[in-house]
This record gives sequence, C-alpha cells and structure tokens, in this order.
Amino acid sequence: QVQLQESGPGLVKPSQTLSLTCAVSGGSISSGDYYWSWIRQPPGKGLEWIGYIYYSGSTYYNPSLKSRVTISVDTSKNQFSLKLSSVTAADTAVYYCARAGYSSSSSGWFDPWGQGTLVTVSS
Amino acid sequence: QSALTQPASVSGSPGQSITISCTGTSSDVGGYNYVSWYQQHPGKAPKLMIYDVSKRPSGVSNRFSGSKSGNTASLTISGLQAEDEADYYCSSYTSSSTLVVFGGGTKLTVL
Repeated sequence: QVQLQESGPGLVKPSQTLSLTCAVSGGSISSGDYYWSWIRQPPGKGLEWIGYIYYSGSTYYNPSLKSRVTISVDTSKNQFSLKLSSVTAADTAVYYCARAGYSSSSSGWFDPWGQGTLVTVSS
Repeated sequence: QSALTQPASVSGSPGQSITISCTGTSSDVGGYNYVSWYQQHPGKAPKLMIYDVSKRPSGVSNRFSGSKSGNTASLTISGLQAEDEADYYCSSYTSSSTLVVFGGGTKLTVL
C-alpha cells in the first residue's frame, strides 16, 4: 500500500525558508488518480491545510499562506516538496504530507498520511 | 478560530454510542457531500475514518459512521472501546479559495 515519509531539517531560523520533502512508496505520484498535499499542526492545536499539487505540477494553496508557499513535484523521484519562506515562530508545527482526494466525485479527504515531522522555528 | 465548529470534548462508557458534531456553512458542509473525519492518537498522524460524509475506507470498523443534515455533519461511534479514545477532526471541501477547512478537534474520553 502507499506510504509517505517526510524529511527535512527539524530546526529553522526565523526569516529563513523551511524545506521539506515527502517520499512516496508503494504507488506512483504520476498515476494521476490523486492529488498530493501538505498539512500542518502547531503543537497542541488543530490541523491546517497548506496546499495541493498534482503530478502535472498544478498547485492550489491556502490563501493565508499563498505568498510564502511553494509546493513542487519530482515524478522521477516519486516525491513532492514544500518550501515556506520568511518563517516565524508561528510556523512551528508538525508538518504532514498526505495523498489527497480532489475531484468532482470525491474531494477534501487525505489518506494515507506520513508520520509527520516537527519543524521548530527558533534562533 | 477554526472554520468548522466541533465540541471540545465528548465522553462515553465502553459499549455506549457517542456522536460528534461538526458545524459549518452552506459554502462547505451544507453545500457539498465532501465531509471527512480523522482519528488522531497522541503523537500519531491522523487516520481517515470517514470520507464523502458517510463512506468508510477499507479496514475501518463499521462501528464508525457518518451523516449530514443541513450545515452539520456528525460522526457516530457505536460500541465504544477504550482504543477509540483519541482526538477527532472533521474537514470539508469549501467553495472558498481555501478549498479545505478543518474543525478544531474533539477529544473523546472513554470512561
């Protein structure tokens, strides 16, 4: 079955760029059946959707983060990535990647999820 | 403040049934049959329990069911078990540019 695994630095300095990668195994990003997504969860708080990407490179971002977010895909490596610029302490969170349903017949769900990676923004 | 409103906590005894509500607007929960529910145990990633209001992914117990009436969706867990104790989040597709909104989460305690 499909599995996702996040990787990247656990500590980022304020004003710098947070960069994470999600490796997908057990299935191909290029199958075109799903979108791929990033979601975050600040410590002790709820979930926030960051954005979607399709294997073609088409993206959708949460408007609240759009000016700072870039999601990209590398189909040759079967992975997708997140970049969040100009980070502050408010961006400290567990970042999850997930496969997403986004079509006219089924939408808004995420399954499965990666295990998550805590990114702390601190000097 | 989350876009979807959930009760902060619910509780029930083993064997009982509980229901968690998720209230939105006609732009999200009420306008589309795209509500999903997630179970999250401490320190773990969320797990999809219900999607498209009432569909269960393969492997999810049939003790979990979903429904919707107007702008409010509900997750019902029957035959409550100790392992059901977790945080539960709802989410919905939304016609706004946000595309996806989550509830604030509900902590389920099995007494």
